[in-house]
Order: sequence, then C-alpha cells, then structure tokens
Amino acid sequence: SAVISQKPSRDICQRGTSLTIQCQVDSQVTMMFWYRQQPGQSLTLIATANQGSEATYESGFVIDKFPISRPNLTFSTLTVSNMSPEDSSIYLCSGGTGGGKTEAFFGQGTRLTVV
Amino acid sequence: GEDVEQSLFLSVREGDSSVINCTYTDSSSTYLYWYKQEPGAGLQLLTYIFSNMDMKQDQRLTVLLNKKDKHLSLRIADTQTGDSAIYFCAESNYGQNFVFGPGTRLSVLP
Repeated sequence: SAVISQKPSRDICQRGTSLTIQCQVDSQVTMMFWYRQQPGQSLTLIATANQGSEATYESGFVIDKFPISRPNLTFSTLTVSNMSPEDSSIYLCSGGTGGGKTEAFFGQGTRLTVV
Repeated sequence: GEDVEQSLFLSVREGDSSVINCTYTDSSSTYLYWYKQEPGAGLQLLTYIFSNMDMKQDQRLTVLLNKKDKHLSLRIADTQTGDSAIYFCAESNYGQNFVFGPGTRLSVLP
C-alpha cells in the first residue's frame, strides 16, 4: 500500500487569502486525485492531478480557484485561492496506480477553516 | 451520472455483527470499495472487491456483492467500540472515476 502524507493537517485562514496544500506519496503512483469533504458530507472529486500537464477538473471546479501542480509521480499541491467561508472543508489527497491494481489510498486530510 | 447510496446511520451493540449496505447505479463499475473514516482522520481502505466476485472475507470483514441488484454489503463480525466510524462505499472503473456514497455512521454501544 502507498502511504500518503499531507501538509498542513489543519489551518485557519483569513478570507481573501490562499492556502497551498502539499501531498507526498512514498511510492510512485499513476493517479493522484484531490477531493473536498464538506462538513458531514461525502467526498467530492475536485480534479485529477496529471504529471507534467494541467489537471483535469470536475464540473463545478475551475483552475483559477483550485490550481493544482504535479511535478512528478510522488508529489502534488492543491491551492485554494481567494478563500471564503464556503471553502471551509476537509481537503483530501488520494493516490492510486489504476489499471490492474486499483486501490486508492488517502492522506489524512487538511482541515481548512476560513474566517 | 453514477450514484452510490447508503443508509446514513447504524447502531449495534458491542459483540454483535454489523451489516452496512450500499447500492450503486453504474453497471460498468469494476471495483467496489469500503473505506473507514475515524473522527479527524482521512480515509482508510478496508477492503475492495472485483466485480466478478460474489464474496470476499478478510478476518472480521465479509463483503458480499450482488452484481445483478447492484448491491454491496460489509459485515463486521464481533463489532468493537473501535469500529465506531463512518464507512464509505465507493465504486470505480479500473481505479478511475471514483464515486463515493454519503457514508454510514456506525455507532457501537457498550
């Protein structure tokens, strides 16, 4: 299994600012994903992080608000830009190999509160 | 689009068996998963089953899949207080396009 570490684990931010969340995987993974989990809700996929190219965003999420980088197979960042209280959520990074080995492993999440 | 449904709450007594149910709509799902989320933590993969299997057992966990009815269940034998958590059912198509259910909050009563 892959071990996924996220930083920071939690943060309280002022509205209008931006926060970058880092995700590090201990082994090379083909697929990396970013999810949002709003309070008491299930997970919603924000985007698939693609190595060396622009991320693939789901409906309702845009690059200007959630820029994502993935410079290599083990690291990705998600930035939450120009934050508002509605962005208060847990943000989760996930990695998996896809194809024949299809487990997806999750980081511990970043709990973001926007005040 | 694809949809995954679960009952939201389940309470059981310590030592009893818990059965958490899930239904999904995507007939092209190839893998179905159960994840556990404890308070303040990320998701822990408990087990997963390939769509051509009917059952998978792993220690106290038994997964049953009825592909015809698109119904998945997770049975936890001898439920303990440490099993109290939210359990998410999820499906994917070969490890892509994961869709998660709303989660079932399991409460284990002493």
